[in-house]
Amino acid sequence: QSALTQPASVSGSPGQSITISCTGTSSDVGGYKYVSWYQQHPGKAPKLMIYEVSIRPSGISNRFSGSKSGSTASLTISGLQAEDEADYYCSSLTSSSSRVFGGGTKLTVL
Amino acid sequence: EVQLVESGGGLVKPGGSLRLSCAASGFTFSAYAMNWVRQAPGKGLEWVSSISSNSVHIYYADSVKGRFTISRDNAKSSLYLQMNTLRVEDTAVYYCARGGCTSDGCKLFEYWGQGTLVTVSS
Repeated sequence: QSALTQPASVSGSPGQSITISCTGTSSDVGGYKYVSWYQQHPGKAPKLMIYEVSIRPSGISNRFSGSKSGSTASLTISGLQAEDEADYYCSSLTSSSSRVFGGGTKLTVL
Repeated sequence: EVQLVESGGGLVKPGGSLRLSCAASGFTFSAYAMNWVRQAPGKGLEWVSSISSNSVHIYYADSVKGRFTISRDNAKSSLYLQMNTLRVEDTAVYYCARGGCTSDGCKLFEYWGQGTLVTVSS
């Protein structure tokens, strides 16, 4: 049950686009479409932003998009806004039916 | 409106026990899988345990297997986590989160509670 690998931090200016990667193995990210992304602001509970690799829940801005290639999933945020500054986590189902999170990525909007 | 409200957290000594509860409302609790996820102070999210809608399928992280027990009472719309032989490293905010599959697809952790803090310290 090793954590998925995410960059510790990314940054971008307002209006720009950024991408956060999430690397796993064929036993998790690479083997299933059940990859999700969560946004967490300080002191708050996480919020689901993307599920099944690329589907946005109702109410989530279309500035957020997800994709996957092999064992690496990606979250892209376009048209960065100050309110996007937060921690982002990926998660995946695994071959043993457990779940695993990435280590988290701190997004700074410059 | 979906609501998940955790309770039962607090300060406990190493080796002690604690039982967390999660009261659910705003949806048909018996139709969804449920989960516990924790976050140590200043750290990332860690999946703890999952239970299927009918309690048939239960899974644990290796870090808590044999010490923690997840359960649910569909009649009371409640989820529980019995934590035994607690360690300092179990100190964290514990969140309950709804999972499961619907016609929209499968969401591992769709809705989250606000969490309850468990502190293990002598």
